[in-house]
Amino acid sequence: EAGVAQSPRYKIIEKRQSVAFWCNPISGHATLYWYQQILGQGPKLLIQFQNNGVVDDSQLPKDRFSAERLKGVDSTLKIQPAKLEDSAVYLCASSVGQGISYEQYFGPGTRLTVT
Amino acid sequence: GQNIDQPTEMTATEGAIVQINCTYQTSGFNGLFWYQQHAGEAPTFLSYNVLDGLEEKGRFSSFLSRSKGYSYLLLKELQMKDSASYLCAVRDKAMYSSASKIIFGSGTRLSIRP
Repeated sequence: EAGVAQSPRYKIIEKRQSVAFWCNPISGHATLYWYQQILGQGPKLLIQFQNNGVVDDSQLPKDRFSAERLKGVDSTLKIQPAKLEDSAVYLCASSVGQGISYEQYFGPGTRLTVT
Repeated sequence: GQNIDQPTEMTATEGAIVQINCTYQTSGFNGLFWYQQHAGEAPTFLSYNVLDGLEEKGRFSSFLSRSKGYSYLLLKELQMKDSASYLCAVRDKAMYSSASKIIFGSGTRLSIRP
């Protein structure tokens, strides 16, 4: 079974520039998550999709971050414009559903450095 | 509010046993996960508890006490490859909604010495 795919793996941009990340979840997984993980901290949920609908985006900085999940499969996360504090690893995860026992499978992450 | 606490760092000896504790406060507890994360890699699932008690899976066991808001991960027969961060994560169900989200602690960095 193929895992969660993400690209790019690494990205370096200057502040105020824009950047986009792509995620392809495990086939058949209805729930998709984007997390931000700052060095030394645990992952922080940015947005959660159930199929192509948003379940939770309460911690997404909506003035600069946006995400979409077209057709309930692939997803993109965009930052525009980037700030220095956005430097982090952006993890995409998917699960069969959002039921209580469904474990999340994480992709390898995209390491973003904003200079 | 939501809060998850776990020790920042721990050190243990190869072949020994180590217990990593996690305490949490959530409004709608609906399960607790433990994940392992090696440096520079993504988290991988270790265990899930929703009822009180001990869940054993090979060298790893996880315990939950809902009344105390407490869990621990027990690692036996430690190996060098167990050096990693261990993340405690709680599923929190929103009131008046079927939606739930997973909240992660900051992780415990475990170092294994020979």
